Amino acid sequence: DTAVSQTPKYLVTQMGNDKSIKCEQNLGHDTMYWYKQDSKKFLKIMFSYNNKELIINETVPNRFSPKSPDKAHLNLHINSLELGDSAVYFCASSPGAPQADTQYFGPGTRLTVL
Amino acid sequence: KQEVTQIPAALSVPEGENLVLNCSFTDSAIYNLQWFRQDPGKGLTSLLLIQSSQREQTSGRLNASLDKSSGRSTLYIAASQPGDSATYLCAPDSGGYQKVTFGTGTKLQVIP
Repeated sequence: DTAVSQTPKYLVTQMGNDKSIKCEQNLGHDTMYWYKQDSKKFLKIMFSYNNKELIINETVPNRFSPKSPDKAHLNLHINSLELGDSAVYFCASSPGAPQADTQYFGPGTRLTVL
Repeated sequence: KQEVTQIPAALSVPEGENLVLNCSFTDSAIYNLQWFRQDPGKGLTSLLLIQSSQREQTSGRLNASLDKSSGRSTLYIAASQPGDSATYLCAPDSGGYQKVTFGTGTKLQVIP
């Protein structure tokens, strides 16, 4: 009964390729997020969606495009991958009430761009 | 822009010790602050959430305090155990729809 799941867990690809990471939550939450954790273990929010609508869009290259087909899914598509995109990407969800909720995180997807 | 600092960056203690992890943040206008635990190769587990109106929260052997005006939070772990070994992250929420900023973490090792 996984709460927040991500696929794949590991992704190794060549520069210039396009790839997607999928995220699903079965908690019935309204809000979902994507975070990037770089090699120094620093976590930074990338996007936040509430009920399929984009709420937060931090300074992220437009090669990154989130897609939310429904409230339980938030996928991350990355075009023209670059070496600097190598990181661990975490998906998270929360019930949705602003400023009040615990976030639940997925296990992460380790992306390596060669 | 919110900046979050955690001290120390790494900590190694013998089992049974009580310890304190520190977190400081530059923008005191936060709505809440969350402490997470990260195990190697795994996702984040939320430990405690403190609302801006609260001074502390307790869960088992963990106690987190918040001094919003001075931009500080501490996580107190009592009677540490080897299973507590992990990286601990603090994350204040500065507003918007859960705009959360993470610190770089404190890597804790509890030695049996």
